[in-house]
Amino acid sequence: QSALTQPASVSGSPGQSITISCTGTSSDVGSYNLVSWYQQHPGKAPKLMIYEVSKRPSGVSNRFSGSKSGNTASLTISGLQAEDEADYYCCSYAGSSTLGVFGGGTKLTVL
Amino acid sequence: QVQLVESGGGLVKPGGSLRLSCAASGFTFSDYYMSWIRQAPGKGLEWVSYISSSGSTIYYADSVKGRFTISRDNAKNSLYLQMNSLRAEDTAVYYCAGGIGAFDIWGQGTMVTVSS
Repeated sequence: QSALTQPASVSGSPGQSITISCTGTSSDVGSYNLVSWYQQHPGKAPKLMIYEVSKRPSGVSNRFSGSKSGNTASLTISGLQAEDEADYYCCSYAGSSTLGVFGGGTKLTVL
Repeated sequence: QVQLVESGGGLVKPGGSLRLSCAASGFTFSDYYMSWIRQAPGKGLEWVSYISSSGSTIYYADSVKGRFTISRDNAKNSLYLQMNSLRAEDTAVYYCAGGIGAFDIWGQGTMVTVSS
């Protein structure tokens, strides 16, 4: 199972909005509404930010939103804040024998 | 509070074995599907293995199939990963994570280094 494709890096200024794309195939992202997004600060464990394409866990800011079109999912962060600077990973269910295929990760820099 | 704590990592020679443990607390462990996910130094996340809540269903990534064995003891609220025939490319931080469809609980990770 190949990894999902994410841009290596994105950047934005405080207050701006950014979008991170996550491109898979018809076997993973395109077939299931089970795309999740994780935020990881250096030296820390990943944190779930979005699940089932667009749902936010309790406690996650509504500045984070998710969507999907075809084989590509997207994470949008609005009103960028300094604490949003982190690595972001998408993940998709890809069938019963592959619980999760991850993207390569995107480093978000808040300028 | 909800917590997963991994242990058992360390330095091992190529071809060696290691057993990782993950202790759960603050939630009903026996209700949760559990996975091991790893992250090589400076690299991205890689799903390694999954076990259903009862332990009846198990899957492995192709990269570890035949070498790693996942198990759980719901009475002890614990998850395990037996790693045999370790290779340099298995060097990574290993996280235990709970959930299905999305991993909503994560441990802090334990480092495994395979080197001679």
